[in-house]
Amino acid sequence: KNQVEQSPQSLIILEGKNCTLQCNYTVSPFSNLRWYKQDTGRGPVSLTIMTFSENTKSNGRYTATLDADTKQSSLHITASQLSDSASYICVVSAIHNNDMRFGAGTRLTVKP
Amino acid sequence: ETGVTQTPRHLVMGMTNKKSLKCEQHLGHNAMYWYKQSAKKPLELMFVYSLEERVENNSVPSRFSPECPNSSHLFLHLHTLQPEDSALYLCASSRSGQPQYGYTFGSGTRLTVV
Repeated sequence: KNQVEQSPQSLIILEGKNCTLQCNYTVSPFSNLRWYKQDTGRGPVSLTIMTFSENTKSNGRYTATLDADTKQSSLHITASQLSDSASYICVVSAIHNNDMRFGAGTRLTVKP
Repeated sequence: ETGVTQTPRHLVMGMTNKKSLKCEQHLGHNAMYWYKQSAKKPLELMFVYSLEERVENNSVPSRFSPECPNSSHLFLHLHTLQPEDSALYLCASSRSGQPQYGYTFGSGTRLTVV
């Protein structure tokens, strides 16, 4: 079982709508959690990075939350645009060896 | 551009061919990584180089052979691949010992084995 589980696997929304992507992890001891955006055929690009003491971080229309007690994170996208269509990957790192664990991603499609 | 450049962007090769993937970073990082990304699966770490020395090899078949001649360049040499090796191969770089900061990916090479 992967140590980072993302849901849903895929999501289709209309342009202008909001959406929330989920990430649950079992990686321990926790160091940091990152959300990446990956456009089709491109490499992942970092959106946010959060450490244990942070529970919210925003990057434009993207807002990530972290609950280190329940080991859950979410990525909220506000007023979606067609360019938000991409895969969103959650990556969790452990303290002791900086080992990075990747989720399988959520494929988001924004339709006009 | 992210500062990590991969070439070629696309590659189609036969199972008996030999080819190489190239990665170059201009970020002053001293650790470099190869990942394999298959459809609907998490990224799989293949190789890690830190300060030009290989520090991790995650049970990757010998038909994949990495080379890191200096801290800015990383190669993945391919020979006698199988169709199941078709995937997006991603290179990344970071500061050695601090991958949690400034971890940057290239755009990848889409490999198709026929």
